[in-house]
Amino acid sequence: DVKVTQSSRYLVKRTGEKVFLECVQDMDHENMFWYRQDPGLGLRLIYFSYDVKMKEKGDIPEGYSVSREKKERFSLILESASTNQTSMYLCASSFAARGGNQPQHFGDGTRLSIL
Amino acid sequence: DAKTTQPNSMESNEEEPVHLPCNHSTISGTDYIHWYRQLPSQGPEYVIHGLTSNVNNRMASLAIAEDRKSSTLILHRATLRDAAVYYCILRTSYGNKLVFGAGTILRVKS
Repeated sequence: DVKVTQSSRYLVKRTGEKVFLECVQDMDHENMFWYRQDPGLGLRLIYFSYDVKMKEKGDIPEGYSVSREKKERFSLILESASTNQTSMYLCASSFAARGGNQPQHFGDGTRLSIL
Repeated sequence: DAKTTQPNSMESNEEEPVHLPCNHSTISGTDYIHWYRQLPSQGPEYVIHGLTSNVNNRMASLAIAEDRKSSTLILHRATLRDAAVYYCILRTSYGNKLVFGAGTILRVKS
């Protein structure tokens, strides 16, 4: 089975801190994704990466950056955490999309609270 | 992204089959139909996907209407562990992101 592992299930940080969320997948997937999930808003794509050192902005990239130095690892960085970034963060991975035929596999999420 | 419509909630008895409907009348010819579910306090879990033909896997079956404007996810024997939010999503041939709607909350009674 595909395993997507997020480094923390719960995280509490303070406003202004630089926050790192880590994600590792073990299936040699080319694509990796970061979403955030908020009540009433569903899942929204922050960034995705289709190869090492390659990234593309999703729908809500402001206030975030990402890093992919190795194929199996994709990091989400909150440059200066703010309270409106309190959310559930979900990492996913997939093989390169070929006509929409590739499912995405998700980690269990990190529930981040910014105080 | 083409839109899908699902009932807000459904209820089932344990060990009975469950049919979860999804309407997608604006689907294009190259859109795949994907189903995911999300259990409480977990990330979404891939269930099944298909293009035109019905599909079966160890988790569920997917029945796709001949005109592809609707589909049904079938859980053959619901268990309490199947209580979750079920999402029907259309994947375009060029898009990478998944667009999750509100989904259907499935409640399973013992």
